[in-house]
Amino acid sequence: GENVEQHPSTLSVQEGDSAVIKCTYSDSASNYFPWYKQELGKRPQLIIDIRSNVGEKKDQRIAVTLNKTAKHFSLHITETQPEDSAVYFCASLGAGSYQLTFGKGTKLSVIP
Amino acid sequence: SAVISQKPSRDICQRGTSLTIQCQVDSQVTMMFWYRQQPGQSLTLIATANQGSEATYESGFVIDKFPISRPNLTFSTLTVSNMSPEDSSIYLCSVEYQYSTGELFFGEGSRLTVL
Repeated sequence: GENVEQHPSTLSVQEGDSAVIKCTYSDSASNYFPWYKQELGKRPQLIIDIRSNVGEKKDQRIAVTLNKTAKHFSLHITETQPEDSAVYFCASLGAGSYQLTFGKGTKLSVIP
Repeated sequence: SAVISQKPSRDICQRGTSLTIQCQVDSQVTMMFWYRQQPGQSLTLIATANQGSEATYESGFVIDKFPISRPNLTFSTLTVSNMSPEDSSIYLCSVEYQYSTGELFFGEGSRLTVL
């Protein structure tokens, strides 16, 4: 089955700096890659996603890039703010599957 | 956006008892899933709730321990049976709508503590 590796497990950045979280996946046929943000005590919420026919997608301060050849995708957050502090999960959907495989999460701390 | 109501939001249970968690969605969905999230951990899929038939369980999860019902397209229940402290966790209902394959929406979660 699909395997998703996520790095780093923790990340601290100064407010205003950029943060990058990387994930690799094992199934070359995977075609959908969402990112979820989970604030403390809250539910995971989808913040951005990308499908395999696209290389990059942006939404204001966040962007996701996908490299199908290398089988990795990354989340980029620019101009970080304290409210960006949360745990971020990447996920992958294998071709022909209806189940997401999640990474282990990255705890992002933005220091004011 | 999706409205997914899950209850109870939290509970403290005694060892050996069972608890049923309910998930109600605002509109018909194609897929409903139940996840477990242990403290500080990622999301682990327990099972896919199938409407009108037995749920599909992931490796390590069995029907006797986690019976699931889905009588219609907007409602599902998960029971955690014969609980032990190791079952202390957050249990999350999630749904996928027909218009967006792969995109999951999560309920608020049910935080269970087993003493």
